Amino acid sequence: KAGVTQTPRYLIKTRGQQVTLSCSPISGHRSVSWYQQTPGQGLQFLFEYFSETQRNKGNFPGRFSGRQFSNSRSEMNVSTLELGDSALYLCASSVGEATNEKLFFGSGTQLSVL
Amino acid sequence: DQQVKQNSPSLSVQEGRISILNCDYTNSMFDYFLWYKKYPAEGPTFLISISSIKDKNEDGRFTVFLNKSAKHLSLHIVPSQPGDSAVYFCAASPLLYGQNFVFGPGTRLSVLP
Repeated sequence: KAGVTQTPRYLIKTRGQQVTLSCSPISGHRSVSWYQQTPGQGLQFLFEYFSETQRNKGNFPGRFSGRQFSNSRSEMNVSTLELGDSALYLCASSVGEATNEKLFFGSGTQLSVL
Repeated sequence: DQQVKQNSPSLSVQEGRISILNCDYTNSMFDYFLWYKKYPAEGPTFLISISSIKDKNEDGRFTVFLNKSAKHLSLHIVPSQPGDSAVYFCAASPLLYGQNFVFGPGTRLSVLP
């Protein structure tokens, strides 16, 4: 079974631009979560989508948004990029039908904002 | 304010010995805990989990202990192998609908041959 796929692998943007990251979950998984990893901060929860609806949301500004499509694929968008948005963005999928399921992570998208 | 803390940024252990990674949490609503391992340029991979109704869970060389009164959990790796060298993250979740995990900052484990 294919794992979680994230594209692109690397991205370089400048301040003020916007960016869209993509995530394809494991087949049969309906929950997709997004995390931001910065050095020394661990993984910070952005949001979770299930059946095309945002089910949980972390404490990030409205510049960070996401959506999920009917095939469970998800996109994350960051508008008006700031230098502090430079991070590894990780997507994780799970079956989604129960609480507290283990997450399966993709390899991430490394975003650099110049 | 970090709700999940891993106070040791790094740990070095000799091959064959025990590795003990610690994690503390502050939110008493957390009742499900996971450990993940992360190699450079890869996403985290699931290692082991424990729910608050247990105080111990084993899977091969990995054992997780949970002390709810102290809000502390630890991951024991016995015996440690060089391939275990990675960053280990502790994660916690309250009993809520869906997936909403709080991760610690990670501990870098180096297993020396």
